[in-house]
Amino acid sequence: GAGVSQSPSNKVTEKGKDVELRCDPISGHTALYWYRQSLGQGLEFLIYFQGNSAPDKSGLPSDRFSAERTGGSVSTLTIQRTQQEDSAVYLCASSLRGRREQYFGPGTRLTVT
Amino acid sequence: GENVEQHPSTLSVQEGDSAVIKCTYSDSASNYFPWYKQELGKRPQLIIDIRSNVGEKKDQRIAVTLNKTAKHFSLHITETQPEDSAVYFCAASQGGSNYKLTFGKGTLLTVNP
Repeated sequence: GAGVSQSPSNKVTEKGKDVELRCDPISGHTALYWYRQSLGQGLEFLIYFQGNSAPDKSGLPSDRFSAERTGGSVSTLTIQRTQQEDSAVYLCASSLRGRREQYFGPGTRLTVT
Repeated sequence: GENVEQHPSTLSVQEGDSAVIKCTYSDSASNYFPWYKQELGKRPQLIIDIRSNVGEKKDQRIAVTLNKTAKHFSLHITETQPEDSAVYFCAASQGGSNYKLTFGKGTLLTVNP
């Protein structure tokens, strides 16, 4: 079946602009995660959604970052007033309820100039 | 919070040799330890995982071992092939209601023909 998809694959934006990144999880997966991968670094947890429960936002680095998940499926990560340090690959993962295995999308490479 | 250390950061082996990557974790509550393989420009792919109730798991040429007392786990790849060349990430997570992963910084494995 179809895997996790993300769009856009690449995004170049000017410092100070807002960006929206989209994630479509695997159909039927109720858990959705956002991670950030900076150059040469491991993946850093940002936010977690599980069904209709309140999201775990503990990994968001600042209040410029927010995310929502509509209808328990598609998720959008929004970064306001982008800074150069926001440049990274933003990865989304999903999993079945109660399962530990997370399946990743291809990521969105964000470059802030 | 959890902290995962991964070593070495780079590893070069000859085709047919074995490769070992080691990780340590800090939080004794962690009970799930996946390994991901990421080829250049691609998404991370889950290759094997282990739960804290077992000490070893094998899948063809790859195996993972876990020492809960010492809080470390390792990935073993035998009979390496050039297509094993990639960045490998270890991760750890706790149970409960949030399965967010804490990742190591990755190991770049190069298998020379």
